[in-house]
Amino acid sequence: NAGVTQTPKFQVLKTGQSMTLQCAQDMNHNSMYWYRQDPGMGLRLIYYSASEGTTDKGEVPNGYNVSRLNKREFSLRLESAAPSQTSVYFCASQGEGYTFGSGTRLTVV
Amino acid sequence: GEDVEQSLFLSVREGDSSVINCTYTDSSSTYLYWYKQEPGAGLQLLTYIFSNMDMKQDQRLTVLLNKKDKHLSLRIADTQTGDSAIYFCAGAPSSGSARQLTFGSGTQLTVLP
Repeated sequence: NAGVTQTPKFQVLKTGQSMTLQCAQDMNHNSMYWYRQDPGMGLRLIYYSASEGTTDKGEVPNGYNVSRLNKREFSLRLESAAPSQTSVYFCASQGEGYTFGSGTRLTVV
Repeated sequence: GEDVEQSLFLSVREGDSSVINCTYTDSSSTYLYWYKQEPGAGLQLLTYIFSNMDMKQDQRLTVLLNKKDKHLSLRIADTQTGDSAIYFCAGAPSSGSARQLTFGSGTQLTVLP
């Protein structure tokens, strides 16, 4: 089992550019999450999806949109990237515990 | 909502025990987790405990839960250099179709030779 797969692993964007971070899980989990990690702040929830077809805002949703394409895939979109969105982004899915992807390191210049 | 707090740094000597502490505010948190993050890597689940338990032991790891004080600790016995990492505690409620994890800021554990 691959678990949770995130792509890309690294990305550099210019301010104002858009991009989509991809996440897929092969564990047949209903709930999926997007977090961002910044130094000294732990992980903060951006959006989550309790099940296919539903999405909800987390603690820091501004500047992001999400799509739960199907049960496996949950994508995060930055429509107009800003330097404040420079961070490491983690996708997770929830079974009995939570399984995290390896992260996407995004730099916005 | 949940608020989770941890101390930021801990240094121990190789072979000693490490104790990482965490406090949480939401008494409805039913699931409490410990994650390990090595440099440049994702989060690895170490262990978790349900709120109806006081203690859980898994090889070198011991988790203690004091529900009255809302205090959670992770003890690592015989700490090794490979244990150097950031350790996060996280809590989640029992109810809801999606149990959102709330993380502490992480404790950087440094193991000195």
